[in-house]
Amino acid sequence: QKEVEQNSGPLSVPEGAIASLNCTYSDRGSQSFFWYRQYSGKSPELIMSIYSNGDKEDGRFTAQLNKASQYVSLLIRDSQPSDSATYLCAVNMGGTYKYIFGTGTRLKVLA
Amino acid sequence: ETGVTQTPRHLVMGMTNKKSLKCEQHLGHNAMYWYKQSAKKPLELMFVYSLEERVENNSVPSRFSPECPNSSHLFLHLHTLQPEDSALYLCASSQDVSYNEQFFGPGTRLTVL
Repeated sequence: QKEVEQNSGPLSVPEGAIASLNCTYSDRGSQSFFWYRQYSGKSPELIMSIYSNGDKEDGRFTAQLNKASQYVSLLIRDSQPSDSATYLCAVNMGGTYKYIFGTGTRLKVLA
Repeated sequence: ETGVTQTPRHLVMGMTNKKSLKCEQHLGHNAMYWYKQSAKKPLELMFVYSLEERVENNSVPSRFSPECPNSSHLFLHLHTLQPEDSALYLCASSQDVSYNEQFFGPGTRLTVL
């Protein structure tokens, strides 16, 4: 059973702090990794994609990938109350259409 | 219209009704997907189409019937649903079926009475 695991949270951080969200996956053949943000009652919105080991930065967001340890993380710097949402990790096994989603981590940024 | 659109946004139906969900993507993508999202559960992939050809039917009950008349449109036909089918149904598209980022529509909130 190929799985993607996330801590459901809620993860509470004060405004201005760094929020760290983690995701582990079971399939070593996974090649593509994605982070989505989902506000309550809304659909998932793509934030970051990462395909190779290391860090990828986009504004306040940094995705980190470690294929040897099979984890991917998302760092949100200078967290804002508007970042409060559920963050979904998604993994795609290389060369296939099978995207496996985690159950998401609920983030609460306290003003 | 931009991105991925879905209609209707909300749907309430009885178990004996027949209804259809519609999805349209304006991104020039070649792949389209149907997902089901239930509370406390991860997104469940239901169907995948690549260039109008179905490439995945993920053990979905036959009361759900997809249709992809062209690469921009995707339908999900519903009949004799059960209350446990109540969920958020999401359509997504991507450039191709492999590797690529998926972009989601706003979803249809379905309630089966």
